[in-house]
Amino acid sequence: QKEVEQDPGPLSVPEGAIVSLNCTYSNSAFQYFMWYRQYSRKGPELLMYTYSSGNKEDGRFTAQVDKSSKYISLFIRDSQPSDSATYLCAMSRGSNYKLTFGKGTLLTVNP
Amino acid sequence: DVKVTQSSRYLVKRTGEKVFLECVQDMDHENMFWYRQDPGLGLRLIYFSYDVKMKEKGDIPEGYSVSREKKERFSLILESASTNQTSMYLCASSFTSGQVWRETQYFGPGTRLLVL
Repeated sequence: QKEVEQDPGPLSVPEGAIVSLNCTYSNSAFQYFMWYRQYSRKGPELLMYTYSSGNKEDGRFTAQVDKSSKYISLFIRDSQPSDSATYLCAMSRGSNYKLTFGKGTLLTVNP
Repeated sequence: DVKVTQSSRYLVKRTGEKVFLECVQDMDHENMFWYRQDPGLGLRLIYFSYDVKMKEKGDIPEGYSVSREKKERFSLILESASTNQTSMYLCASSFTSGQVWRETQYFGPGTRLLVL
């Protein structure tokens, strides 16, 4: 079983839709969870991070962590064409530990 | 704003050539990382460094070496390039501080390397 599993998509939605992106993981030692966004031909950029279980909201984005199910989600409300990108989940065991990335989900928001 | 720059956006090399990929960050970050990104395989860690002249192997170090002579610069070296090293190479850097938001990694724009 891979440490981090992420559905690669592609996912295509109409503008204004609510998008749900998900990752599952097998290592219960992971404590820090992040979402990176990567536009085509660019490097990934940090979108959100959360520590342990719970929700975190930032504008149209909500990150959710369920450690009991080893499942994390990123929700995008009122999706825009500018949200079209690859979304990568990432997680680590703690300070000074390397990140483990999912393979990324390609999202296209159609005007 | 954190800036991570990579020496080339696109590079074409021949099999057997020695290839140098350079990465520079301007935020005094302690940690620097080299990844490669391939379709269907995602981001894979090649090497990382927690300090000057210090290096650690990542998940796929074979065929690569690194050099970190100065804090701001981290070089990836392909000793003898092969066609299976054709990939997107991404450099990243981060602080070490005990706070997650400061430890998150900032990525450069990537170098697309084609080995013929």
